[in-house]
Amino acid sequence: DQQVKQNSPSLSVQEGRISILNCDYTNSMFDYFLWYKKYPAEGPTFLISISSIKDKNEDGRFTVFLNKSAKHLSLHIVPSQPGDSAVYFCAASLYGNKLVFGAGTILRVKS
Amino acid sequence: DAMVIQNPRYQVTQFGKPVTLSCSQTLNHNVMYWYQQKSSQAPKLLFHYYDKDFNNEADTPDNFQSRRPNTSFCFLDIRSPGLGDAAMYLCATSRGFAGLSSYEQYFGPGTRLTVT
Repeated sequence: DQQVKQNSPSLSVQEGRISILNCDYTNSMFDYFLWYKKYPAEGPTFLISISSIKDKNEDGRFTVFLNKSAKHLSLHIVPSQPGDSAVYFCAASLYGNKLVFGAGTILRVKS
Repeated sequence: DAMVIQNPRYQVTQFGKPVTLSCSQTLNHNVMYWYQQKSSQAPKLLFHYYDKDFNNEADTPDNFQSRRPNTSFCFLDIRSPGLGDAAMYLCATSRGFAGLSSYEQYFGPGTRLTVT
């Protein structure tokens, strides 16, 4: 069963606008959430994370929001840039032991 | 630069012919992971080592084995590859269970395995 779901396989956004990537999870015991970014022919690279005790974490153009009651998190990229075009993976962790990944969302930022 | 290195980047093997994929790290991390990722799917954890302690996922087939001879290196052995084992294999590392920073995993570029 998929404990972490990214229901949008792809997203297309105009340069300068906001990109919003969504992720849903089923296990309420997850205590840490991460977003990874992956370019073709490269491994995933860590982007931003949030602990389950917080509802928002911001790092430059990237903000992650966590809604525990809805078991939902989202990644906001503002403003979006062509270099942000990549696959974005949401991941969740249980006590730091291992990560459970979503299937990813392909983001295309058009210039 | 500290990093996770995977060799080879592309591997072609024949059905049933054993193959070994290699991962090395210069991060001096305690934990090393192997993931399998098929097209348009989530990376799936196969197993991980915490130092020398091996942790196998319950649904990882017996066909997949791993070795970690030292802190820096970890190998994935596929004893008898089938067509369904064609995938990207990702190696990752993390510091270990020492606070929230330990949750972050650092990935290598992956090895694309083709089975003919």
